[in-house]
Amino acid sequence: EDKVVQSPLSLVVHEGDTVTLNCSYEVTNFRSLLWYKQEKKAPTFLFMLTSSGIEKKSGRLSSILDKKELFSILNITATQTGDSAVYLCAVENDGSGNTGKLIFGQGTTLQVKP
Amino acid sequence: DTGVSQDPRHKITKRGQNVTFRCDPISEHNRLYWYRQTLGQGPEFLTYFQNEAQLEKSRLLSDRFSAERPKGSFSTLEIQRTEQGDSAMYLCASSPRTAGGGTQYFGPGTRLLVL
Repeated sequence: EDKVVQSPLSLVVHEGDTVTLNCSYEVTNFRSLLWYKQEKKAPTFLFMLTSSGIEKKSGRLSSILDKKELFSILNITATQTGDSAVYLCAVENDGSGNTGKLIFGQGTTLQVKP
Repeated sequence: DTGVSQDPRHKITKRGQNVTFRCDPISEHNRLYWYRQTLGQGPEFLTYFQNEAQLEKSRLLSDRFSAERPKGSFSTLEIQRTEQGDSAMYLCASSPRTAGGGTQYFGPGTRLLVL
């Protein structure tokens, strides 16, 4: 059965710290891995990764994918209180029918204290 | 606002009642997805439409659930004879792709509480 596992499940840091969130997966018909940020509402898109070893960056956030070891990490440097949220990792399963449905992990809840 | 919209945002109902939710995807997005999210969990896939055709349904979608997307535009998700276990956030997402990868953009969700 396809599954996506995130770790840690929760994390508390102070402003200015750097955090690394982990996502491992076992999914047939892998097409891409996506990271979303969820703040008590709908998930908002952060990154889509399709190739190993190519880092995606957006401001203080960056992410990389390892398709051989089947995992991805999301890094946040110089954390701010506004980074407090649930971070979701999802893998796009593109099996028969080419649906592109997403299989999500449980999420990592990040709390950044002032 | 040209994002994905959902209506209503919140719904409280009594067990046994029927409820219907609506999703308006980003215009020109031909792919539409419904997911369900319970507290402390990531979203779970329910069903997928490409244009007006419903091409995949999860086994989570019991026969009390039905979804439509007439004319390939907005979609509705109906739950008949609601049960307390149906309480969850129902998320809709749309994607522009016709083939190959494509990012899914989520709506604000409909939070359902079944009493």
